Amino acid sequence: KAGVTQTPRYLIKTRGQQVTLSCSPISGHRSVSWYQQTPGQGLQFLFEYFSETQRNKGNFPGRFSGRQFSNSRSEMNVSTLELGDSALYLCASSFSGNSGANVLTFGAGSRLTVL
Amino acid sequence: KQEVTQIPAALSVPEGENLVLNCSFTDSAIYNLQWFRQDPGKGLTSLLLIQSSQREQTSGRLNASLDKSSGRSTLYIAASQPGDSATYLCAGSLRGGADGLTFGKGTHLIIQP
Repeated sequence: KAGVTQTPRYLIKTRGQQVTLSCSPISGHRSVSWYQQTPGQGLQFLFEYFSETQRNKGNFPGRFSGRQFSNSRSEMNVSTLELGDSALYLCASSFSGNSGANVLTFGAGSRLTVL
Repeated sequence: KQEVTQIPAALSVPEGENLVLNCSFTDSAIYNLQWFRQDPGKGLTSLLLIQSSQREQTSGRLNASLDKSSGRSTLYIAASQPGDSATYLCAGSLRGGADGLTFGKGTHLIIQP
């Protein structure tokens, strides 16, 4: 059974650019959540999608957005990149929409470096 | 707003020892609590999920307990092995998952051969 796949694994961008990250959940999982991990702040919740709808959203500026497609694959976009956006972005999938009631399966992450 | 604290931040013990990792949270309305491990440069691997109606979960050499009234969870690792070396994170969620999972900063564990 394939795990959660995130692409790209590594990328380097410059300030002001935008970036799109992709996440393919485990087959049959309908919920996808995104988290940002930095050394200073640790892991922080970005948003959760379930059946193509954003169900929950963390405390991040509007530059961070996402979407989910009918096949449950999800993308997140960060516009007007800032140095502080450098982080490991992790995607997690689960069967249902309540990210706390089910075991989350995480991908390996996309490491973004903003220069 | 839920806050999760993990103590200690780092721990180094000889192989074979039993050890306890601690996690405390501020909101007793916590719904579920999960323990994860993270290996360097990797994503997170779920270890144990304690549902709201449960007090503990066991998987192999791992046992996790949850005490909502005291705001604490512990992860017990029996007969530690070098392969257990990793960062261990606990994460809590509120009912409905409105804020997703709130993670602690983790305990960096090193098991000395």
